Amino acid sequence: DIQMTQSPPSLSASLGDKVTITCQASQNINKYIAWYQQKPGKAPRLLIRYTSTLESGTPSRFSGSGSGRDYSFSISNVESEDIASYYCLQYDNLWTFGGGTKLELK
Amino acid sequence: QVKLLQSGAALVKPGDSVKMSCKASGYTFTDYIIHWVKQSHGKSLEWIGYINPYSGGPNYNEKFKSKATLTVDKFSSTAYMEFSRLTSEDSAIYYCARSLGALDYWGQGVMVTVSS
Repeated sequence: DIQMTQSPPSLSASLGDKVTITCQASQNINKYIAWYQQKPGKAPRLLIRYTSTLESGTPSRFSGSGSGRDYSFSISNVESEDIASYYCLQYDNLWTFGGGTKLELK
Repeated sequence: QVKLLQSGAALVKPGDSVKMSCKASGYTFTDYIIHWVKQSHGKSLEWIGYINPYSGGPNYNEKFKSKATLTVDKFSSTAYMEFSRLTSEDSAIYYCARSLGALDYWGQGVMVTVSS
């Protein structure tokens, strides 16, 4: 089974900051990684698929990059509505989620 | 528009089973597989498995193979998950979601509480 190591578990940012979350897979996942945003009491929302493809409605301040085993997700100019938890998901070989990152306001 | 509507919250006793549903609308049900995902309180997401509505064939995360049973009724566009021999560790929110790869549309979740 593929393991996804996501870091950091929590992140504190000021409005307008740029933040970056990383996920490392236990093996090459061929760019089959997605990123989700989850707010309390809500289902996860797909933001990015296939490493860097933004879903319709995802603001351009969100971005993703990476290859092989190492991937990153960034939010430039953090806004108050971005305060949430974020998860990566590999779907190259079955499906595995990362442990999550909770983004809070500093 | 695409919707996945899940059944309501459940309070069940230890050792019992629970069966939840996920009714799809707004797309051709057999064109996408349906996944089930567990989220324990305050924790991350765990992939339980998926079922292919076209073939009816399931595929399980090894961890949940003896715990979950996935079925589907393609005539009513509804997927089901039965969770058996429940313990307190099974108290969680359970989501269904569809995919062709990344899980794109999700149900609203079902909260299952296991308590005597």
